[in-house]
This record gives sequence, C-alpha cells and structure tokens, in this order.
Amino acid sequence: LAKTTQPISMDSYEGQEVNITCSHNNIATNDYITWYQQFPSQGPRFIIQGYKTKVKNEVASLFIPADRKSSTLSLPRVSLSDTAVYYCLVKSTLTFGKGTMLLVSP
Amino acid sequence: DVKVTQSSRYLVKRTGEKVFLECVQDMDHENMFWYRQDPGLGLRLIYFSYDVKMKEKGDIPEGYSVSREKKERFSLILESASTNQTSMYLCASGLGGDSNQPQHFGDGTRLSIL
Repeated sequence: LAKTTQPISMDSYEGQEVNITCSHNNIATNDYITWYQQFPSQGPRFIIQGYKTKVKNEVASLFIPADRKSSTLSLPRVSLSDTAVYYCLVKSTLTFGKGTMLLVSP
Repeated sequence: DVKVTQSSRYLVKRTGEKVFLECVQDMDHENMFWYRQDPGLGLRLIYFSYDVKMKEKGDIPEGYSVSREKKERFSLILESASTNQTSMYLCASGLGGDSNQPQHFGDGTRLSIL
C-alpha cells in the first residue's frame, strides 16, 4: 500500500503563497489524492481532491505530475486563519500519516 | 449538511475499565472508520467497516474492537483500558465501492485513561 510522506512543519507570512508537497511513490492506478485541513479540537475537513494534472477550487490548487508519485497543495495568499495541520491521503491506504503543521505569522 | 456525531467530546475513565466510544452518521455511508490522533504521530487507523457487521483491522487494532450492528452507527470498544490509550479518537464515514468521495469526520473524543 502506498504510504505518504510530508514535511512535518512549514512557516509562512500572511499574503504569501504556500506549497506543501506530499510523496506517494507507490500510488495505485485508480487512487485519487485527497487533501484535508484540521484545526485544533476539530476533525479534518476536505479541501481538494485530484487524480492528475491540476485541480483548482475556491480554496486551493492541487498539482499532480504525470508520474503521480507526488502532489503539491498550493494555498494562495495565506492568512492567519490558514494556520492548521494539512494531510494528504491516498485512498487505498486509508491512512493519513503525520501531516504538515502550517504556521502563518503576521 | 453531512454530519458525523461522536457521543462525547471528553471522557475520563480508569485503567481496566471497558470503554465504549460511539459514532453516528446521517449520510447513509457504507464505510466508517476509527482513528486515533497523537502528537507527532498524526492520524492512525484503528479499524474500519465496509458494511453492517463487517470490520477490518487498520494499522493499530491491538487493544481495540469494534461493532457495526446498524449502518449509521460504528462503535469503538476498549476492552480493558490502559493509560497508553489516552488519545484523541476520531470517527469518519464515507461512500463505499469505487467512490473517491472524501471522508467526513466527527469532531473527536478526547479520552483520558487514569
């Protein structure tokens, strides 16, 4: 089963673009890649999902290269409220891994 | 709006007690999951279920069991609670089969074993 690897933490400032990359070297052919956001004392919530190339919604963009062995979540112009833990999930694994703690400072 | 409800936000139990954590979803989802979350370890899958009365072990099933008697309810059972089971427990549900729809989570139960 594909396992995911992400940076443990990232720091940014308000207004900057943040890119968080997740590695999933053994992703299965039919697997989608899903990203979640989690605030303290809450369960994770869905942000964005994709299979290949680029996906964009009102919150974020997701870039997936042709080999699909990694994916990058892009958060444009972050604000203080984007401080959270971000997880990538490859469906067949059903495991979230350790996530990336993003800290946005003024 | 979709909803996953966990019966307690906070729970304190004693070592050796049998503990039940309840989770209910109102979305008619086939799949339900139990995770625990610990600092530095992220979310780890304990058990999941694809259907009523079906259960599958996740990555860390030891010391836990589950029950799914009805589609909307998935219970996590600590047969004899120990202090190393102090943690945040998260329940989730999702569509079954080949669906790639995301999981929906409850807000968690913070369990302390004394």
